[in-house]
Amino acid sequence: DQQVKQNSPSLSVQEGRISILNCDYTNSMFDYFLWYKKYPAEGPTFLISISSIKDKNEDGRFTVFLNKSAKHLSLHIVPSQPGDSAVYFCAVLGAANNNDMRFGAGTRLTVKP
Amino acid sequence: NAGVTQTPKFQVLKTGQSMTLQCAQDMNHNSMYWYRQDPGMGLRLIYYSASEGTTDKGEVPNGYNVSRLNKREFSLRLESAAPSQTSVYFCASRAGYPGELFFGEGSRLTVL
Repeated sequence: DQQVKQNSPSLSVQEGRISILNCDYTNSMFDYFLWYKKYPAEGPTFLISISSIKDKNEDGRFTVFLNKSAKHLSLHIVPSQPGDSAVYFCAVLGAANNNDMRFGAGTRLTVKP
Repeated sequence: NAGVTQTPKFQVLKTGQSMTLQCAQDMNHNSMYWYRQDPGMGLRLIYYSASEGTTDKGEVPNGYNVSRLNKREFSLRLESAAPSQTSVYFCASRAGYPGELFFGEGSRLTVL
């Protein structure tokens, strides 16, 4: 059962515009949400996170929004840069089993110059 | 600062052969993890070690064994490799909940 879904395998945006990546989860017990970025032939690197007590977290060009009632989170990148081209994974974590971080299948973002 | 180091980076095995993937972290993290990444599947947890001396199964543990050798090192063993184990394997570590995972560069394994 896929507890974390990223329904868009790919996204292409123009440099300077906004990139919006989406993620849905099924279990309301998850209480910590993360985004990772992955370049080819490298391991994923942590980008930004949010706990369930918040609905928004910002870090520079990156903002994560959490809608708990819809079980939905999104990552906004503004403005998008060519160096942002990578695969983005959302991940979720729950206190019940806080070692079992579940990942979505990823969205490949391409930012065109 | 090496972070999380995995070896080997590439390996080709024949069905039935065994091998061990090695992982070491130098961040003094308590918890260590092994994930596999397959196309369209994201990353799936194989085994984890919440602290030195403990190991637990994750989402896809069948066909694998692990050893937490000490606080720094966590190895993953395939006793009898199968083509279904062809994948990219990532080791990760974490200081504690709810912190982020720090990943190694990955080990690409092909089983023929």
